[in-house]
Amino acid sequence: DTGVSQNPRHKITKRGQNVTFRCDPISEHNRLYWYRQTLGQGPEFLTYFQNEAQLEKSRLLSDRFSAERPKGSFSTLEIQRTEQGDSAMYLCASSGQGAGELFFGEGSRLTVL
Amino acid sequence: DAKTTQPTSMDCAEGRAANLPCNHSTISGNEYVYWYRQIHSQGPQYIIHGLKNNETNEMASLIITEDRKSSTLILPHATLRDTAVYYCIASAKTSYDKVIFGPGTSLSVIP
Repeated sequence: DTGVSQNPRHKITKRGQNVTFRCDPISEHNRLYWYRQTLGQGPEFLTYFQNEAQLEKSRLLSDRFSAERPKGSFSTLEIQRTEQGDSAMYLCASSGQGAGELFFGEGSRLTVL
Repeated sequence: DAKTTQPTSMDCAEGRAANLPCNHSTISGNEYVYWYRQIHSQGPQYIIHGLKNNETNEMASLIITEDRKSSTLILPHATLRDTAVYYCIASAKTSYDKVIFGPGTSLSVIP
């Protein structure tokens, strides 16, 4: 499968624990996006990368959230000291140079107990 | 990104054309209109995009008004599998442009 891959697909954790999600974009895509989606809402923009550079971060991305894309390939999204309000689907998308359409993964669903 | 507005929900009979409208009255000259859909519990799926001209692919047709202030996504023969939330987005293709999703239109295809 050459699409966008996200792991893990599901994560259940206790409040206060740290979690990390990984996204592997389509190999030739240089842009990578992270979104968060809660039930009944559209995807909310969190951050995006052009190669390894993080170009913008949403105000939704509190200090407990950090995203990296160290070699311009895969990306990780870490949430520290999780809170119940962090429960959501975390979506990753990628797009190619000069192209505008995004290709999404299936998402990583986080449940914080 | 230009703000877009879409109806919250729509129904369509199976086999009929589904016409989903989108208003983007503040769209900039370099912004394209993109459509995505999201089937329950899956990631959004790209459908089609256009700048000025009408576009058609194997999934849908996109009709953009001459003034570019609105557009319509057409699913010519809706099936039950087309039941999904459809998102209309106005966005430039530049490297520094983030893509913002609104709440979309929930389309229900009815047997």
